[in-house]
Parts: sequence; C-alpha cells; structure tokens
Amino acid sequence: GDSVTQMEGPVTLSEEAFLTINCTYTATGYPSLFWYVQYPGEGLQLLLKATKADDKGSNKGFEATYRKETTSFHLEKGSVQVSDSAVYFCALTVWGDDKIIFGKGTRLHILP
Amino acid sequence: EAQVTQNPRYLITVTGKKLTVTCSQNMNHEYMSWYRQDPGLGLRQIYYSMNVEVTDKGDVPEGYKVSRKEKRNFPLILESPSPNQTSLYFCASSLSWQGTEKLFFGSGTQLSVL
Repeated sequence: GDSVTQMEGPVTLSEEAFLTINCTYTATGYPSLFWYVQYPGEGLQLLLKATKADDKGSNKGFEATYRKETTSFHLEKGSVQVSDSAVYFCALTVWGDDKIIFGKGTRLHILP
Repeated sequence: EAQVTQNPRYLITVTGKKLTVTCSQNMNHEYMSWYRQDPGLGLRQIYYSMNVEVTDKGDVPEGYKVSRKEKRNFPLILESPSPNQTSLYFCASSLSWQGTEKLFFGSGTQLSVL
C-alpha cells in the first residue's frame, strides 16, 4: 500500500545551521506531496506542497522538490532559527483515494 | 477568523464512561476527518466525512463513532472508552477532497482514559 517514510528524530541543530529532513514515499498512483508542521501545543499546519513531479514547494525559507525518480520529497532550509523547533510531518495523497497518509513525524530542536 | 474548533482541550475519564469530543469549522468545508496521534506512530485516521450524512472508516475506527448531521460539525464519540484510547486527537477539515487541498487542523484534544 501507499506509505511515507521519514527520518527518525529528534534532530538537534544549532541556529543558522542547514537543515535536511528526509522523506521517501511509496505510491501506486500519482501522489501529491506535503509537509506539515506542528508547533508545541498546536495542531498541524501546512508548510508546503507539490502536486506533480519536479515541482518545488516553498514557504518560510523551507523548500522541498518532488523527485519522482528517487520517490523523495526532502525538506530543506538554509539557515534554521530557534522558532523552527517543531515536529515536521511528510504526507501524501493519491488521486482517487479518500485519505492523506502521514509519516511518523520528525522532531526538530534548534539550539540558540 | 477561519478555524477548526475542538473541545475540550484536555479530558480525563474512566473506562466505560461515554464521551464526546466536539469539532466545528466555520469555513463551509465539505471534508472533515479525525486523527489520533501517538508517539512513534504519527497520525492515524479514525473516520472521515466527504459531506453531510456521508462518513467512512479510516485506518483505526474500532471503538469510535462519528456523525455528520450538519456541515460544520463532526463530533467523535467514544461509547465505552478504554485505556488504549488514551491519545492526542485532532479534527481537520478541507474545502473538498480532491487530494491537493490544504487540511486545516484543530488544536487537539488530549484524552486520558483511566
């Protein structure tokens, strides 16, 4: 079945470091891909998305490129801030299916 | 303000005592869904609804009920809660379901069943 695998955390970085959170997927159809972020004590909110191969989603300095050849959607940011500390979820939907599939989440800690 | 409102935020109950977690959205969204979040397991879908009077099971529906009598409300009902239903619950909604829309999440309900 369809699935999402993301790197396990927690990931701890210093402020201004470069961030990569890996995400790979398995899908039988043509997926759309998402990154959601969950700040402490809050619900998830959409960070970025890409709906077809080679699309790049971007928001708040974060980027991810939909790579069909490697079935990946890795999240990157050039210079992280303490305020980026959160749990990040990679997710996919497949056209014709009625649900979104989430990865297990990656907790990110940014040290000042 | 566009939002999904869940109540209560925190709930402690005992085994077997029926409870309802309410969820309401003010965005006229057609699609609504419930998830539970557990450490190491991420988010798992419990039930979803494509529109009024249309509901369907997600991945972990056992022990839960839902109803969608009005477009804005989608309550989650635990008829006889058990300790394995201790979890963090989220309601979410989107304008429709075509697979590319953004999901709007509530702030969550932390449930403890003793």
